[in-house]
Amino acid sequence: QQQVKQSPQSLIVQKGGISIINCAYENTAFDYFPWYQQFPGKGPALLIAIRPDVSEKKEGRFTISFNKSAKQFSLHIMDSQPGDSATYFCAATVNQAGTALIFGKGTTLSVSS
Amino acid sequence: NAGVMQNPRHLVRRRGQEARLRCSPVKGHSHVYWYRQLPEEGLKFMVYLQKENIIDESGMPKERFSAEFPKEGPSILRIQQVVRGDSAAYFCASSPRTSSSYNSPLHFGNGTRLTVT
Repeated sequence: QQQVKQSPQSLIVQKGGISIINCAYENTAFDYFPWYQQFPGKGPALLIAIRPDVSEKKEGRFTISFNKSAKQFSLHIMDSQPGDSATYFCAATVNQAGTALIFGKGTTLSVSS
Repeated sequence: NAGVMQNPRHLVRRRGQEARLRCSPVKGHSHVYWYRQLPEEGLKFMVYLQKENIIDESGMPKERFSAEFPKEGPSILRIQQVVRGDSAAYFCASSPRTSSSYNSPLHFGNGTRLTVT
């Protein structure tokens, strides 16, 4: 029940295309869903996050779509660029002080020019 | 305004030796988390500490692993008698003293890559 399942494991997208990464969870107590971006040799960095009281959140080219009834959420990267090539992790937790994030296994995105 | 600092960046140990990984959180942050990353396995939670207290160690292996976050100084993740399976990237993250996850996300360091030969 503590798992967050992420797919696909890897993704190749042409420059200018849309990248879509999906995550699913079981624990209905989860109420905070961030996405992290990680470049080789670096630590993960927060990209965008959503709470379940909204169905979509957009920041620039990055959008989270959230489906509470299906217990699924996804990251969409519009107009994908080579600089977006990185590993993306979805995560979930209960939104209270100190609760640890549970991460998906990650998606390695390659954007070809 | 320094972020989370981890050292060393790379650590090589022979089987049976001890590994000590250090983490200095963002200034003013008193919550520290340790995660382990294996290829194609994502980030696995290990332990959550506040100053001088272990709050949640449900992800820590029962033997050989320990963590501390003293009143003064960095947080330390200690692995005794390392084995090849301990080879991984270990990441530390910090967050402020009193905050929800949404208002103050985790800040990660760049990790320590441990190689056991």
